[in-house]
Amino acid sequence: EVLLQQSGAELVRPGSSVKISCKASGYTFTDYYMHWVKQRPEQGLVWIGRINPANGNTVYAEKFKSKATLTADKSSNTAYMQLSSLTSEDTATYFCTTAPIMDAWGQGASVTVSS
Amino acid sequence: DTVLTQSPALAVSPGERVTISCRASESVSTLMHWYQQKPGQQPKLLIYLASHLESGVPARFSGSGSGTDFTLTIDPVEADDTATYYCQQSWNDPYTFGAGTKLELK
Repeated sequence: EVLLQQSGAELVRPGSSVKISCKASGYTFTDYYMHWVKQRPEQGLVWIGRINPANGNTVYAEKFKSKATLTADKSSNTAYMQLSSLTSEDTATYFCTTAPIMDAWGQGASVTVSS
Repeated sequence: DTVLTQSPALAVSPGERVTISCRASESVSTLMHWYQQKPGQQPKLLIYLASHLESGVPARFSGSGSGTDFTLTIDPVEADDTATYYCQQSWNDPYTFGAGTKLELK
């Protein structure tokens, strides 16, 4: 069974950073890009970027180029997304996914930015 | 960026046929995909590459289109189909999603 297990909810202070993890199992981690998607409360889906776990190559949406950093650890089959300089605009649920090539999604990691 | 435009909401009765449209600001060939998302859940892939039904998805769902105009059809609609439906293109970087179409049942 393909599973993407994300880290838990985070409450963080404005101006700080947070790192979310996504541990993959049930498939060959390096065979599929890992994408990250943002969803603010009651809002739609926004594509942040993707990483090729085989070689670490990344592509970001323009608005996230200075906000998100994607990495992947082949030894632990885990993808990470670090978000920096957090503001209230970053309060959202963040999903990791291998879709559309393979329909697997993490359960979502809630990030709340509040003082 | 490729902008995907969806109608915001639809209301239909169970048993009816519903079509949800997605228009791209530029051609995306057939690299268009459709997702269903219910409140509090992850999105679920329904249709990939414009017209291919994802494994395990009921045959009531179908997709069509190429270039800039795409359609997701549900026929017949069931009560469990209440959800928000998103299109996504993967032809151009960055990948983009439509704003979603909220489907309600009367």
